[in-house]
Amino acid sequence: TQLLEQSPQFLSIQEGENLTVYCNSSSVFSSLQWYRQEPGEGPVLLVTVVTGGEVKKLKRLTFQFGDARKDSSLHITAAQTGDTGLYLCAGAMNYGGSQGNLIFGKGTKLSVKP
Amino acid sequence: KAGVTQTPRYLIKTRGQQVTLSCSPISGHRSVSWYQQTPGQGLQFLFEYFSETQRNKGNFPGRFSGRQFSNSRSEMNVSTLELGDSALYLCASSFLPGAPIGYTFGSGTRLTVV
Repeated sequence: TQLLEQSPQFLSIQEGENLTVYCNSSSVFSSLQWYRQEPGEGPVLLVTVVTGGEVKKLKRLTFQFGDARKDSSLHITAAQTGDTGLYLCAGAMNYGGSQGNLIFGKGTKLSVKP
Repeated sequence: KAGVTQTPRYLIKTRGQQVTLSCSPISGHRSVSWYQQTPGQGLQFLFEYFSETQRNKGNFPGRFSGRQFSNSRSEMNVSTLELGDSALYLCASSFLPGAPIGYTFGSGTRLTVV
C-alpha cells in the first residue's frame, strides 16, 4: 500500500501552460516536502510546508498544504522547458515525539515541450 | 559548502557478489539516510543513521546493511547481489533525524547487477 499517492503519474504539456500536481494520503504528516529530480541526479528540495493550510510561493511554483495536513498540491504557472523533471512529494511523520523516516510518493514525471 | 558526496557513481557487479557504497554528508549533518530508487517502486527507505546509531530500518532483507562512522560518513553494504538489486542508491543527509525540514541528497550510485 502506497502511503502517499501522487497524481498524475505522467504529464506532458506545452510551454506556457499551467499545471497542478497532487499528493494525497490518509495519514497526517508533521511536514510535507516537494523535490524535483533530473535524470541521473538526486532529488533537490524545493519547499517544506509544516502548517495546515499553508501556501508557499517559489517564483512560478505555488505549494499548498491541506488543512488536515494529509494532502498537498504543487501548481506551476506558465511552465517552461526547464521545469521538466520528476516531482516528488515526501511526508514526515512523528511517532510519539520521535521523527520517523521520510515517506516518498512515486512521483509525477513532467515533460514541458517548447 | 560541499554537498553530499556519494562514491562510486556507477558500479557493475555480478550476481552473488557484494558491494559497498559510500556517502559523505554535508559538514555538520549527523543524520544520513539511504534510499533505493527503481522505476517501479520509486524511492524506498533503507535505513537511517544518526550519531553512529541506526534509528530506523526499512523493509529490506538482511543482505542490506549499513553503518555510520564518528565523522558521520556512512557506508551501505549489499551482500549476495541479486538482479533485482539493480537500482539508483541515494544517500541523503540532514541536520536533524527524520529530516523534518528536508534532505540534501547526493547524486546517487547507479548499481547494475548482471
